[in-house]
Amino acid sequence: DIVLTQSPALAVSLGQRATISCRASQSVSTSSYNLMHWYQQKPGEQPKLLIYDASNLASGIPVRFSGSGSGTDFTLTINPVQADDIATYYCQQSRELPLTFGSGTKLEIK
Amino acid sequence: EVQLVESGGGLVQPGRSMKLSCAASGFTFSNYGMAWVRQAPTKGLEWVATISYDGSSTYYRDSVKGRFTISRDNAKSTLYLQMNSLRSEDTATYYCTRDRAYWGQGTLVTVSS
Repeated sequence: DIVLTQSPALAVSLGQRATISCRASQSVSTSSYNLMHWYQQKPGEQPKLLIYDASNLASGIPVRFSGSGSGTDFTLTINPVQADDIATYYCQQSRELPLTFGSGTKLEIK
Repeated sequence: EVQLVESGGGLVQPGRSMKLSCAASGFTFSNYGMAWVRQAPTKGLEWVATISYDGSSTYYRDSVKGRFTISRDNAKSTLYLQMNSLRSEDTATYYCTRDRAYWGQGTLVTVSS
């Protein structure tokens, strides 16, 4: 199985940049696609897709969210961070089955 | 508007069975593969199973293989998850999802005596 590693928590000041990383135990990229996706989840709610294929903004998601990376190293950036962004962020790979998620990074306000 | 509404969760004893449903609307259900993802209380997300648009292909995580069955009724626009021989570690909120972008609100399954 592909293991995705995320830091448990990140504290950022409002208005600053948040950078959340996800490292895969093996490449999740093909010749055409980087098969890493990012979700936001608030307590009591279902996950919300933010970024698909590493860098594509999902429909309705503000442009202050962005994604980058390839191979085994990926990053979700939120700039600037707003109070509404307090949530847990998960990466997920779809390169191979089983589909796997990172353990989540909880974004906190400093 | 795409809507996914899960139902069928509740309290069940270990070893017993339960069937979850996910009613889909707002899109042509028969055109899309679907999946179940679960989340144990205070834990992260875990993929459970996927089914192709026509039901001809199914995929499962190892821990549920042989116990869970994903299926669909395209005439009813409904996705199912039949769960047998339930274990305490199956306790979770179960979400149905389409294309990663659309998720239901989830249904809680609690396996306990």
